[in-house]
Amino acid sequence: KAGVTQTPRYLIKTRGQQVTLSCSPISGHRSVSWYQQTPGQGLQFLFEYFSETQRNKGNFPGRFSGRQFSNSRSEMNVSTLELGDSALYLCASRQGIDRDYGYTFGSGTRLTVV
Amino acid sequence: KQEVTQIPAALSVPEGENLVLNCSFTDSAIYNLQWFRQDPGKGLTSLLLIQSSQREQTSGRLNASLDKSSGRSTLYIAASQPGDSATYLCAVSGDYKLSFGAGTTVTVRA
Repeated sequence: KAGVTQTPRYLIKTRGQQVTLSCSPISGHRSVSWYQQTPGQGLQFLFEYFSETQRNKGNFPGRFSGRQFSNSRSEMNVSTLELGDSALYLCASRQGIDRDYGYTFGSGTRLTVV
Repeated sequence: KQEVTQIPAALSVPEGENLVLNCSFTDSAIYNLQWFRQDPGKGLTSLLLIQSSQREQTSGRLNASLDKSSGRSTLYIAASQPGDSATYLCAVSGDYKLSFGAGTTVTVRA
C-alpha cells in the first residue's frame, strides 16, 4: 500500500514568487492536513481538509492557502514568498476525522526561498 | 491553547540502555496521542497511537503510557540500539489538528 506522497521533494524559489505543493494521501484516506516545520518554531499546523472542506486552519497569514480535490488529493499554495517561508512542509493523511484515527505523514517538501 | 512539552530536549546513552522520553500537555481534552520518530531531513514515522481511553500501547521494544488526567505520556524504548538514534516527537490530537512538542533528540552510542 503506497504511503503519503508529496511532490516535489525539493524546491528553490525567489522572494515574491508563489509556489504550489502537492500531496496524495494513502488510498482510502479522506482527510489531509498540512504542517510547517522550521528549526525555530518546530511543527506548526497549517490546515486540515476532509471531503473538500477545510475543517481547521492554523495561525498563518492569508498568503497560505490550500484545497482538496474530490479524489482526496490536496494542494497548498504560498503566494508572495518570504525568506521566512523556508521550511519543510509536511502533509499527513488519515482515514477519517473521527477521534480514533491516527495520522500518517509523507516525506515532506523542502522549500528554500532565496 | 494546547501546549506540549518534551523533556529532555536531548539524550545520549550507550547501546543497550533503556530510554525514557517524557511528554506533557496542558489541555487534557485530547482525542488521542501519537509518538513519532523523525530522522534528519525526513518525514515523520508513526510509532504508537494511544487513544484517550487507553492507558498504554506496546509495539515490540516500544511502550507508551498515557495519563490523561495529569497530562502526561511516557515513551519507553527497551534495549536501545544505534539505529534508534533520531528525534522523537509527541503529538496530541484535538479539534482537527495535532499539537506537537519540540521533540527529544536521542543518540545511542555503539
